[in-house]
Amino acid sequence: AQSVTQLDSQVPVFEEAPVELRCNYSSSVSVYLFWYVQYPNQGLQLLLKYLSGSTLVKGINGFEAEFNKSQTSFHLRKPSVHISDTAEYFCAVSESQGAQKLVFGQGTRLTINP
Amino acid sequence: DAGVTQSPTHLIKTRGQQVTLRCSPKSGHDTVSWYQQALGQGPQFIFQYYEEEERQRGNFPDRFSGHQFPNYSSELNVNALLLGDSALYLCASSLYTGPTYGYTFGSGTRLTVV
Repeated sequence: AQSVTQLDSQVPVFEEAPVELRCNYSSSVSVYLFWYVQYPNQGLQLLLKYLSGSTLVKGINGFEAEFNKSQTSFHLRKPSVHISDTAEYFCAVSESQGAQKLVFGQGTRLTINP
Repeated sequence: DAGVTQSPTHLIKTRGQQVTLRCSPKSGHDTVSWYQQALGQGPQFIFQYYEEEERQRGNFPDRFSGHQFPNYSSELNVNALLLGDSALYLCASSLYTGPTYGYTFGSGTRLTVV
């Protein structure tokens, strides 16, 4: 079974500052990793995913994440945030075999202050 | 190209009633998964359908059932509604062969049980 821990429930940052949202996972098998964003009253939008290959993954809206197998982490980063990045961010993991279920973390609320 | 479509967007039901939620997957996808997202929580996997059969199931009671049709669309049925069933229900579509193209989520159905 897999589990995901998002280490911060809320992260407040100032506009144009860098941000890191932390995610650790636990699994006894090989996994795929994902970051999703959820804007108020909306569904989930995929930011980026790690399936294999380069451990540094670039996604939409200037976000990137680094897969660290030894530390079982998949932290999300952005060098300069905007007001429009205010949202809930979810880290998720699935087994790396076919269309396996996604296991989500509890989410991190990113608040951008002007 | 339409993404995942869910209906209705909002629903209010009384305890003990039954509800049916609907989902049309993204064009080209053959697998539909359902998730429950309680307020302030990450989505929890309910079940997954492929080739009109339930392939995986999360830790949800038998009151939660589903169906997939030949056109890949799906329904989620919940019987004997409880107050605790109030949540955002998300449908995600994907390819059974793997998440290379990701899991695409709909905007969800907000169910309120009173």
